[in-house]
Amino acid sequence: QKEVEQDPGPLSVPEGAIVSLNCTYSNSAFQYFMWYRQYSRKGPELLMYTYSSGNKEDGRFTAQVDKSSKYISLFIRDSQPSDSATYLCAMSVGNYGQNFVFGPGTRLSVLP
Amino acid sequence: GAVVSQHPSWVICKSGTSVKIECRSLDFQATTMFWYRQFPKQSLMLMATSNEGSKATYEQGVEKDKFLINHASLTLSTLTVTSAHPEDSSFYICSASPTGGYQPQHFGDGTRLSIL
Repeated sequence: QKEVEQDPGPLSVPEGAIVSLNCTYSNSAFQYFMWYRQYSRKGPELLMYTYSSGNKEDGRFTAQVDKSSKYISLFIRDSQPSDSATYLCAMSVGNYGQNFVFGPGTRLSVLP
Repeated sequence: GAVVSQHPSWVICKSGTSVKIECRSLDFQATTMFWYRQFPKQSLMLMATSNEGSKATYEQGVEKDKFLINHASLTLSTLTVTSAHPEDSSFYICSASPTGGYQPQHFGDGTRLSIL
């Protein structure tokens, strides 16, 4: 079993749809959880990060963490064609980004 | 805030040459920077952790003599691919975490390296 697993995709949705992206993990020591968006031939861009279980909202994005189930999600409301990218979940154990593990990524296409 | 600049964005060179890639944190100090390699349609693979003022820590299977890392200041780390060959062609990305408390990694825009 991989340390971090992510819905493989690719995922295609119509513009305006609600998108749900999910990751599961096996290491209960992970404390910090991030979502990154990566456009083709660009570096990952940090979208959300959180420490505790629960929800965190930022504009059209909501990150959800359930430590008891070792499950995290990113919801995108009112999806736009500009949201088309690869989404990477990431998690780490300690400060300063040590032991930082990425999921394999989910490619999302939002169709106009 | 938390901007990481990487240069160059694309380089093409002949086999056998050495290539230096710079990673700068523009608006924060970073004790630690990270270097990743990414193949098409794959996730990022950590190559090494760069520590200011000390030797880098390389991941298993990464040749330290091939990929030289220098982290001379709190805002600059460099990766030099020595005697590059076509199999070194890849997308190289750096990241940095601001010093102090927990901070997630912020990434540069990557360098596409093509060795002919």
